[in-house]
Amino acid sequence: QVTLKESGPVLVKPTETLTLTCTVSGFSLSNARMGVSWIRQPPGKALEWLAHIFSNDEKYYSTSLKSRLTISKDTSKSQVVLTMTNMDPVDTATYYCARISVDCSGGSCSSYMDVWGKGTTVTVSS
Amino acid sequence: SYELTQPPSVSVSPGQTARITCSGDALPKKYAYWYQQKSGQAPVLVIYEDSKRPSGIPERFSGSSSGTMATLTISGAQVEDEADYYCYSTDSSGNHKVFGGGTKLTVL
Repeated sequence: QVTLKESGPVLVKPTETLTLTCTVSGFSLSNARMGVSWIRQPPGKALEWLAHIFSNDEKYYSTSLKSRLTISKDTSKSQVVLTMTNMDPVDTATYYCARISVDCSGGSCSSYMDVWGKGTTVTVSS
Repeated sequence: SYELTQPPSVSVSPGQTARITCSGDALPKKYAYWYQQKSGQAPVLVIYEDSKRPSGIPERFSGSSSGTMATLTISGAQVEDEADYYCYSTDSSGNHKVFGGGTKLTVL
């Protein structure tokens, strides 16, 4: 059974750095056809993609947040870590991690999030 | 930056067909994916690669894509299908991933 669980602080102060951990089970971060993504959702608003990391350590970031985000993985611990610097109240949101599945059966490869964690709520306030 | 556009809301009666659209310039070249999010829950993948249905997703959910528009169709919508639905795709380079703004489906 594939599961992902997000963990991190519930409350952070403005200007602080947020560090979130996604602990996965049921699949390996070294699997060439998989990766992990971070997505967030402010209260009452839409989903926003943040970052991807794949087994070969290839990384992708949201253009608008790239300067503030770092994604990394520890395969031995089955963990993916997302850091976001200079937190602001507008960053208050539920943060989700999700497994990425890579499908190369159609001649070209596509990737998408197929299993999600339950999310962790982060509030930014002084 | 790349954007996917969805209608904010769609409303149908139980048993009717609900259609939710998603438009984006890169959709002729890139797959669309659809997620269902019920209140207070994490999103669930209901359609991948335009029209494929993951195991466990009811057959009434289907997807299609033509030109710059992808469509999620729920044939015979049920009350339990009430949720927010998000499309997801990438820009033409494949490097920038994006969700649509979401569509609230009401079935009553």
